[in-house]
Amino acid sequence: DAKTTQPPSMDCAEGRAANLPCNHSTISGNEYVYWYRQIHSQGPQYIIHGLKNNETNEMASLIITEDRKSSTLILPHATLRDTAVYYCIVRPEHSGGYQKVTFGTGTKLQVIP
Amino acid sequence: GAVVSQHPSWVICKSGTSVKIECRSLDFQATTMFWYRQFPKQSLMLMATSNEGSKATYEQGVEKDKFLINHASLTLSTLTVTSAHPEDSSFYICSATPAAGLNTEAFFGQGTRLTVV
Repeated sequence: DAKTTQPPSMDCAEGRAANLPCNHSTISGNEYVYWYRQIHSQGPQYIIHGLKNNETNEMASLIITEDRKSSTLILPHATLRDTAVYYCIVRPEHSGGYQKVTFGTGTKLQVIP
Repeated sequence: GAVVSQHPSWVICKSGTSVKIECRSLDFQATTMFWYRQFPKQSLMLMATSNEGSKATYEQGVEKDKFLINHASLTLSTLTVTSAHPEDSSFYICSATPAAGLNTEAFFGQGTRLTVV
């Protein structure tokens, strides 16, 4: 799996958009960008993933640059419950239930009241 | 979404005893499950891949005789920490993905906090 680089920590004011960057300059053509988050003392939670196009779901938006070397996860209106460590991961899509995830160090997002 | 459940959520045991942690996929079948370990203020580290009906695959540096994994059914994998010592105290997390179809995300259990005293 390609290596990713994320800032170790970020702050965001409650109600504002949180923009979390991720660099993945060695990403391969068949690798997707995934985002997970881990709230303190809980298991990780899937947020969103994408290949080339920007994606949006009920949790967040994912913006991938045209050259696919970086991406940004956007939480449009951050709440205190969004305080967590956010992990950006790049990996091929697998079928048949084989979804090993290799975690980097992630970005610790602190949402401030 | 799919649910993965771990039991227990936390456990305290005496040094030298063994502890079993269960990981269940509640609404889907999983031929493969993964076990992770997380020390305080660190990221999740993959320990082993649990394969239904066959032996687990361990990551480099993980002792297979100490961390026994059994994946006897398509909905249950167990991790047994044998002869636990204080340095085994950690947060243990499992993950699984539905075996059928093309599913892209992994689902994680809520984790088990093991404290060895």
